[in-house]
Amino acid sequence: DVVMTQSPLSLPVTLGQPASISCRSGQSLVHTDGNTYFSWFQQRPGQSPRRLIYKVSNRDSGVPDRFSGSGSGTDFTLEISRVEAEDVGVYYCMQGTHWPRTFGQGTKLEIK
Amino acid sequence: EVQLVESGGGLVQPGGSLSLSCVVSGFTFSNFWMHWVRQAPGKAPVWISDISPDESTTGYVASVRGRFTISRDNAKNTLYLHMNNLRADDTAVYYCVRDESRSLDYWGQGALVTVSS
Repeated sequence: DVVMTQSPLSLPVTLGQPASISCRSGQSLVHTDGNTYFSWFQQRPGQSPRRLIYKVSNRDSGVPDRFSGSGSGTDFTLEISRVEAEDVGVYYCMQGTHWPRTFGQGTKLEIK
Repeated sequence: EVQLVESGGGLVQPGGSLSLSCVVSGFTFSNFWMHWVRQAPGKAPVWISDISPDESTTGYVASVRGRFTISRDNAKNTLYLHMNNLRADDTAVYYCVRDESRSLDYWGQGALVTVSS
């Protein structure tokens, strides 16, 4: 199985400041069809996970544009340009290129 | 509006069985791969099973293979997970999830399964 490693695991951020989460995969996530099937999810306290980003950099409908995804191959980043209170929660990366789907261990974002 | 609503969770003794259902609405169920993902308390989600739109192909994570069975009824817009020989480490919230672009775009609210004597 492809191991997904996130860092940091804990991320205290001041309101209005930027935040960045890294995710590294154990092997390239470039599919034979040329796409890279990598996603980011947000899980607010007490809620189900919600997809934010798919195929590395595509934002889902309704996701604020302060969220952006980037990366390629094995290294990926989620950036929040200005953290707001509603961004508190745990963020997970996930790969869909290789079977089975695998998730990172999560990054807990909190407000300082 | 896309909705996925799980039911059937509860408390079961080790070695027991339980079945989960997920009724979906707001999209053409028969066009999509579907998944079950579980999340133990305080842990990351773990993919456990998927099924093709026509039910011809199914997959399972090694830890549940042979004990869990995924199925669907496209006429009823319903996804199922039948779980046998449950163990304590199967305790988790079980989510029904839709597949889109080899990702998981819509999640249900989850069904809590607790395996304990």
